[in-house]
Amino acid sequence: DQQVKQNSPSLSVQEGRISILNCDYTNSMFDYFLWYKKYPAEGPTFLISISSIKDKNEDGRFTVFLNKSAKHLSLHIVPSQPGDSAVYFCAAVNTGNQFYFGTGTSLTVIP
Amino acid sequence: DAGVIQSPRHEVTEMGQEVTLRCKPISGHNSLFWYRQTMMRGLELLIYFNNNVPIDDSGMPEDRFSAKMPNASFSTLKIQPSEPRDSAVYFCASSYGLWPPTNEKLFFGSGTQLSVL
Repeated sequence: DQQVKQNSPSLSVQEGRISILNCDYTNSMFDYFLWYKKYPAEGPTFLISISSIKDKNEDGRFTVFLNKSAKHLSLHIVPSQPGDSAVYFCAAVNTGNQFYFGTGTSLTVIP
Repeated sequence: DAGVIQSPRHEVTEMGQEVTLRCKPISGHNSLFWYRQTMMRGLELLIYFNNNVPIDDSGMPEDRFSAKMPNASFSTLKIQPSEPRDSAVYFCASSYGLWPPTNEKLFFGSGTQLSVL
């Protein structure tokens, strides 16, 4: 059973505009959430994270929002750049140090 | 540090053959994970080791899959016999296993692309 879901398999955005990637989870015991970015033929790399005690974390062009009541988080990229084109995975971690990933969203930023 | 090292990068085999995937975690990391990436399920956790001990193998698809971690610097994932539906990218990842997590908590290898014909 998929505990972390990314319902949009793909997203296309014009360069300079905002990209919004969404993620839903089912287990209220998750305490920490992360976004990973994956380029073809490479392993995923860490992008940004948020603790469940916060509702927003910002790092440069990347901001992650967490809505615990809705069990929803989102990643905002603004402005989007062609180099942001990649697959983005949402992940949730429990206190047992187990990471659960979503199915990924493929972002294409059009120059 | 060279990061998490996986071998081989690509593996093509015939149905019924045994396949062994290898992983060297980052030195000093005490947790190791095996993931499988498919279009349908994304990054699916197969098994998780902590201090070389398997903690959760509930994600292992069936008895054809087995994983070992004989020491802190080496792990294998074996499929015997392999089937076409096992074709996927298999990732190994390692971490310090601390709670709460630090920012760069989970480091992935480059993956093994497995094709079973």
